[in-house]
Amino acid sequence: AQKVTQAQTEISVVEKEDVTLDCVYETRDTTYYLFWYKQPPSGELVFLIRRNSFDEQNEISGRYSWNFQKSTSSFNFTITASQVVDSAVYFCALSGGYGQNFVFGPGTRLSVLP
Amino acid sequence: NAGVTQTPKFRILKIGQSMTLQCTQDMNHNYMYWYRQDPGMGLKLIYYSVGAGITDKGEVPNGYNVSRSTTEDFPLRLELAAPSQTSVYFCASSPLMGTYEQYFGPGTRLTVT
Repeated sequence: AQKVTQAQTEISVVEKEDVTLDCVYETRDTTYYLFWYKQPPSGELVFLIRRNSFDEQNEISGRYSWNFQKSTSSFNFTITASQVVDSAVYFCALSGGYGQNFVFGPGTRLSVLP
Repeated sequence: NAGVTQTPKFRILKIGQSMTLQCTQDMNHNYMYWYRQDPGMGLKLIYYSVGAGITDKGEVPNGYNVSRSTTEDFPLRLELAAPSQTSVYFCASSPLMGTYEQYFGPGTRLTVT
């Protein structure tokens, strides 16, 4: 069975601090896809990134970066120089190679204080 | 493009009532999904569809039904509402199953009392 664990339930940081959100996954598929979504206080779900299991390159997008390590089954998300607008719940998600068993983690609530 | 739209935004039901949550997408996506999000929790898949006329159960299908008569629409039916169905319901669509991100609607907040 597929599973996503986000061990950090809530994180609070002060603006401009860097913060890393952890995501650990379990799957028996050799082909799979990992995702991060943001859910701001307004409630909508915003897609941030998709990564397939064959691409372990880290990715950077502005203040956001992602570290994918198959050896530790982790797909961690780092926000550099956090801002108050980054306050949200962040979900990590996993799907199998054919899209079956799309599973979300429980989410990490990030609060960035001014 | 409107993307994924859901109606209603809010609804209060009495125990035992029924209702249909509407979901429409205008992106010509084959794949559509229904999730529920309980307070402080992640999303759980209720049902999904790989195309018109084809639906399948997700993780938590009990108490719900779906149909997919067109590519655009994927309504979720609640029969005999129960307090355990109090949740926020999200509809999503994607061009390909699993390999692409899902585009989410704004959600429907349902309270069963």
